[in-house]
Amino acid sequence: AQSVTQLGSHVSVSEGALVLLRCNYSSSVPPYLFWYVQYPNQGLQLLLKYTSAATLVKGINGFEAEFKKSETSFHLTKPSAHMSDAAEYFCAVSGSSNTGKLIFGQGTTLQVKP
Amino acid sequence: DTGVSQDPRHKITKRGQNVTFRCDPISEHNRLYWYRQTLGQGPEFLTYFQNEAQLEKSRLLSDRFSAERPKGSFSTLEIQRTEQGDSAMYLCASSPVGQGAREQYFGPGTRLTVT
Repeated sequence: AQSVTQLGSHVSVSEGALVLLRCNYSSSVPPYLFWYVQYPNQGLQLLLKYTSAATLVKGINGFEAEFKKSETSFHLTKPSAHMSDAAEYFCAVSGSSNTGKLIFGQGTTLQVKP
Repeated sequence: DTGVSQDPRHKITKRGQNVTFRCDPISEHNRLYWYRQTLGQGPEFLTYFQNEAQLEKSRLLSDRFSAERPKGSFSTLEIQRTEQGDSAMYLCASSPVGQGAREQYFGPGTRLTVT
């Protein structure tokens, strides 16, 4: 069975500081991995995806993530946080099912302090 | 491309009533998914359609829940005899079929409150 663990339900950074949101996955097959962002009372917006083409994936809004198979990790980073980055972030895995359904982590709330 | 739309955005109902939600996927997206999200949690998969065929259902989808996708376009999710535990955000997502095309595009969700 596939699963995702997001370490840290809340992360707080200062504006301009590095953002690091952690995600570890478990999968018996090569996974597809995703990061989504959710603003209050809205649906999820895709930030980036890993589909085995490259281990360092660049996404929207300056975010990127690195796939590390040896560590079963797919951590999300951004060099400099902006106030507008404050939101809920979800890591998700897909792969063992032909349906493409996503298995999500519990999410990490990012707070950005001025 | 207008994105995935869901209606209504909010629904308040009394315990025991039936509710129905609608999802309109991105046009020409063959795959359609329903997820449920409770407060402070990530979305949980409920069911999946490819065109009009419902190909997978989660065990979370009790017999009070039914979903349809007639003609492979919009989809409806009905909950019969609602319970307070059904209070959640119900999210719909669509995805095109194709090698590697597994990213899903989400609608804004329908927030259900059962009183």
